[in-house]
Amino acid sequence: DAGVIQSPRHEVTEMGQEVTLRCKPISGHDYLFWYRQTMMRGLELLIYFNNNVPIDDSGMPEDRFSAKMPNASFSTLKIQPSEPRDSAVYFCASRSGTGYSGANVLTFGAGSRLTVL
Amino acid sequence: DQQVKQNSPSLSVQEGRISILNCDYTNSMFDYFLWYKKYPAEGPTFLISISSIKDKNEDGRFTVFLNKSAKHLSLHIVPSQPGDSAVYFCAASAKTSYDKVIFGPGTSLSVIP
Repeated sequence: DAGVIQSPRHEVTEMGQEVTLRCKPISGHDYLFWYRQTMMRGLELLIYFNNNVPIDDSGMPEDRFSAKMPNASFSTLKIQPSEPRDSAVYFCASRSGTGYSGANVLTFGAGSRLTVL
Repeated sequence: DQQVKQNSPSLSVQEGRISILNCDYTNSMFDYFLWYKKYPAEGPTFLISISSIKDKNEDGRFTVFLNKSAKHLSLHIVPSQPGDSAVYFCAASAKTSYDKVIFGPGTSLSVIP
């Protein structure tokens, strides 16, 4: 398996523009997580899905952020409109939920570095 | 408020010596703990984990210790190697929280040759 695939790897945009980040989880994994990494807050959980259904989006910072998982092999994180404070590295991770899911490790993608000017 | 804390943003250790990375948590419902390692321009990768029913778990040069009463865990790396230089994230999850995994802010370890 190629692992968790994220695109784009780097995105530079101007304030006010729409940004869409994409993720392809590992085949067979039924959990998908979106995290954001910043210097100040480390790795923050934004939202996670189980079997394509959003379970907890309490970490989504504002209504400008939205995430979807239309099928088991694809998820998007959208920011509209984007602001400079959204600049961060966004990670997608997936996991198999077999057994006690908390004990099953997350596999992360390489991340999407977003810069909003 | 952060539920998982790593109060040392960075740590430098000589090659061959022990590295000790610390992590504190506030949520008493956490019952599974993990450490991840992250190199620049890569995603975090799993390193080692421990369940709350144990107080120690060892895997080669890496050992994690859990002190439930103090809500504290630590990762020991012995001996430290230059390739261990990375950011280390402590993470925790609770059965009651629908499998949410909460990460700490990370500690950047530099192993000096």
